[in-house]
Amino acid sequence: KAGVTQTPRYLIKTRGQQVTLSCSPISGHRSVSWYQQTPGQGLQFLFEYFSETQRNKGNFPGRFSGRQFSNSRSEMNVSTLELGDSALYLCASSRDGSSYNSPLHFGNGTRLTVT
Amino acid sequence: AQKVTQAQTEISVVEKEDVTLDCVYETRDTTYYLFWYKQPPSGELVFLIRRNSFDEQNEISGRYSWNFQKSTSSFNFTITASQVVDSAVYFCALSAEILTGGGNKLTFGTGTQLKVEL
Repeated sequence: KAGVTQTPRYLIKTRGQQVTLSCSPISGHRSVSWYQQTPGQGLQFLFEYFSETQRNKGNFPGRFSGRQFSNSRSEMNVSTLELGDSALYLCASSRDGSSYNSPLHFGNGTRLTVT
Repeated sequence: AQKVTQAQTEISVVEKEDVTLDCVYETRDTTYYLFWYKQPPSGELVFLIRRNSFDEQNEISGRYSWNFQKSTSSFNFTITASQVVDSAVYFCALSAEILTGGGNKLTFGTGTQLKVEL
């Protein structure tokens, strides 16, 4: 069974640009979550989608947005990039999206560098 | 609010030594789950174990064991007979029902870098 797939693996963007990251969950998993990992702030929750609906959102500005498609694939978008957005963005899926106790299965992440 | 504290930033051990990673958590919720994840250099977080707030029975799974104590809000993780392949960053995480509204939202600790040397 294929794991969580994130594309691209690496991305370099310039301040002010926007970026879209993609995530394909494990087949059959309906919940997709996004996390930002930085050396300074650690792992922080961005948002979670289940059945194309955003169910939870972390404390990030509106420049961070996401969506989920009917096939459970998800994208996140960051507009007007800032240097501080440089981070590893991790996507995770879970089988039972209605349960807060479901283990998450993570992808390898997208390393975003903003210059 | 929820908080997870991993006071150990980095631990170095020699192969075959036992190593315990500490985790202390804070939550007002009575129903919650605790997790341990491992992050090897490749980047993906790998789920290791979970424990719910109603079950304080400690368990052993292979070389892994964990000690959950609600009285001290601690959820420590032990690797027995460590191996070089265990070298990674280990994260403790908390998920509470009320906070998530039934969804999935983890609060992570800052991680402990474990280095196992020959």
